[in-house]
Amino acid sequence: GAVVSQHPSWVICKSGTSVKIECRSLDFQATTMFWYRQFPKQSLMLMATSNEGSKATYEQGVEKDKFLINHASLTLSTLTVTSAHPEDSSFYICSATRTSASYEQYFGPGTRLTVT
Amino acid sequence: GEDVEQSLFLSVREGDSSVINCTYTDSSSTYLYWYKQEPGAGLQLLTYIFSNMDMKQDQRLTVLLNKKDKHLSLRIADTQTGDSAIYFCAEKADSWGKFQFGAGTQVVVTP
Repeated sequence: GAVVSQHPSWVICKSGTSVKIECRSLDFQATTMFWYRQFPKQSLMLMATSNEGSKATYEQGVEKDKFLINHASLTLSTLTVTSAHPEDSSFYICSATRTSASYEQYFGPGTRLTVT
Repeated sequence: GEDVEQSLFLSVREGDSSVINCTYTDSSSTYLYWYKQEPGAGLQLLTYIFSNMDMKQDQRLTVLLNKKDKHLSLRIADTQTGDSAIYFCAEKADSWGKFQFGAGTQVVVTP
């Protein structure tokens, strides 16, 4: 149990376009989902925390208008990178927890975004 | 702020034991984790330990926690080529807290 999927696994888009990444909890209801960004050979950087039905909480330095997060249901959160630029190219990973206060966090397989 | 530090690289021969070390600064860390990341993939939870424990063993994995020194280690017995990956140490202050990840240790297993 506790499987998290992401779609797409790899996306290439042109500069100036927007791209949406989906994160789904397949066999459990996720009250809270997290979005991370990972640069090559570096650790994960938390971008934002989203709770179902409420606005996401963004980490300092993350542009909320550029990285739109929607957590419309207990099994789905989306991250939309708006007006993408080459510097947005990265590996985006989501994770989910069953409750807001949980020590177990389950990670998705990640989405590789390349902006040309 | 909170910091989690790991050595960046470890090379080990197949069949030997691997030991990956991690230090953290937040004394209120309650949960400590080891995750494995294979190339192009997400993070796979290997094991975790609560701060009131000193050791946890799970098949080939042994986690040791020294709370006084804020030191966490992961020992992999009989290391296999499939163990080649990046291993992340992470800590969480409490159920509501955020995960703090280390930079990851690249483990390369040679035949």
